[in-house]
Amino acid sequence: DAGVTQSPTHLIKTRGQQVTLRCSPISGHKSVSWYQQVLGQGPQFIFQYYEKEERGRGNFPDRFSARQFPNYSSELNVNALLLGDSALYLCASSTDKGALNEKLFFGSGTQLSVL
Amino acid sequence: ILNVEQSPQSLHVQEGDSTNFTCSFPSSNFYALHWYRWETAKSPEALFVMTLNGDEKKKGRISATLNTKEGYSYLYIKGSQPEDSATYLCASPLSGSARQLTFGSGTQLTVLP
Repeated sequence: DAGVTQSPTHLIKTRGQQVTLRCSPISGHKSVSWYQQVLGQGPQFIFQYYEKEERGRGNFPDRFSARQFPNYSSELNVNALLLGDSALYLCASSTDKGALNEKLFFGSGTQLSVL
Repeated sequence: ILNVEQSPQSLHVQEGDSTNFTCSFPSSNFYALHWYRWETAKSPEALFVMTLNGDEKKKGRISATLNTKEGYSYLYIKGSQPEDSATYLCASPLSGSARQLTFGSGTQLTVLP
């Protein structure tokens, strides 16, 4: 079975541009979460979507938005890019059956560089 | 503790050594504690998810314990091997939603042959 897939793997943008990152969850997983990982820090929660509805949002500006499609894939959009948006963006999926001991399955991330 | 914290930040051990790292988290409103292993150029991979005080989990040479009353978890690696070299992350859903994790900064383990 395919794991969580993310595209593209690497991306270079300039300040002020907009970027769209894509994520396909594991088959059967209805929940997708996005995390931002800056070098030297742990991943920071951005969004969670479940069955196309936003379930949670981390402490990120409105320049960050996301959506989930009927096939449970997801896109993360970042507008008006800043240098500080340079990071590894991780997508994670889960079945989200409500169990507290449910683990997340991560993709290998999209490395975004803003110049 | 108001956040998830890990120590040490990095660790170098010799092949065959046993080692352990610490994860500290808020002891109030505890829901779960996750451990992930993240090898370079790969995806973070879940090792354990623990929910009950006193929980102990084991996977091969790696084990973890949980103390929710004092807010800490230990990860142990017995007889470290070079393939154990990775960053080990712990995380907890501080907001209460199981899928919205707050991560520590990780412990970077290097096992020298």
